[in-house]
Amino acid sequence: DAGVTQSPTHLIKTRGQHVTLRCSPISGHKSVSWYQQVLGQGPQFIFQYYEKEERGRGNFPDRFSARQFPNYSSELNVNALLLGDSALYLCASSLAKAYNSPLHFGNGTRLTVT
Amino acid sequence: AQKVTQAQTEISVVEKEDVTLDCVYETRDTTYYLFWYKQPPSGELVFLIRRNSFDEQNEISGRYSWNFQKSTSSFNFTITASQVVDSAVYFCALSEAEDYGQNFVFGPGTRLSVLP
Repeated sequence: DAGVTQSPTHLIKTRGQHVTLRCSPISGHKSVSWYQQVLGQGPQFIFQYYEKEERGRGNFPDRFSARQFPNYSSELNVNALLLGDSALYLCASSLAKAYNSPLHFGNGTRLTVT
Repeated sequence: AQKVTQAQTEISVVEKEDVTLDCVYETRDTTYYLFWYKQPPSGELVFLIRRNSFDEQNEISGRYSWNFQKSTSSFNFTITASQVVDSAVYFCALSEAEDYGQNFVFGPGTRLSVLP
């Protein structure tokens, strides 16, 4: 079975632009989460979606938004990009929505903002 | 306040040595889970193990073992007879029941280099 797939793999954007990152969960997984990993740090929680509804939001500005589609895939949108948004964006899926369900991560999208 | 601390930023060992990665966490919740993940150079975080707050039994899986001590709020990870393929960044993570959903809090990671 395919794991979590993310696209694109790499992306270079200019300050002020908008970006959309995409994620397809493992088949059968209904929960999708997004994490930001700045170089040299651990991943930081951005959003969790389950059955198309937002279940959690981390401490990120409103420039960050996401949604989940009926097939459980998800998009992360970031508006008005800042240099500080440069990071590896990780998508994770899990079988259940609860705190004890392991997250299974994709390879990430590396976003560079110049 | 940081809830998960991994004091060792980088560790280097020679192949076949044993190595222990430390993780200390902080929570007021009585119900929580702890996780370890491995991040090889490819970038994908690989799930290794989870432990719930009510289960303090240590666990061994092949060359990997985990020591959970609630009294010291620690969940340490030992690799026995390390191999070059173990080289990666290892993250400890905390997930609390009182947090609605799956807000995993990750530590800063420990970069392990196993030299041949």
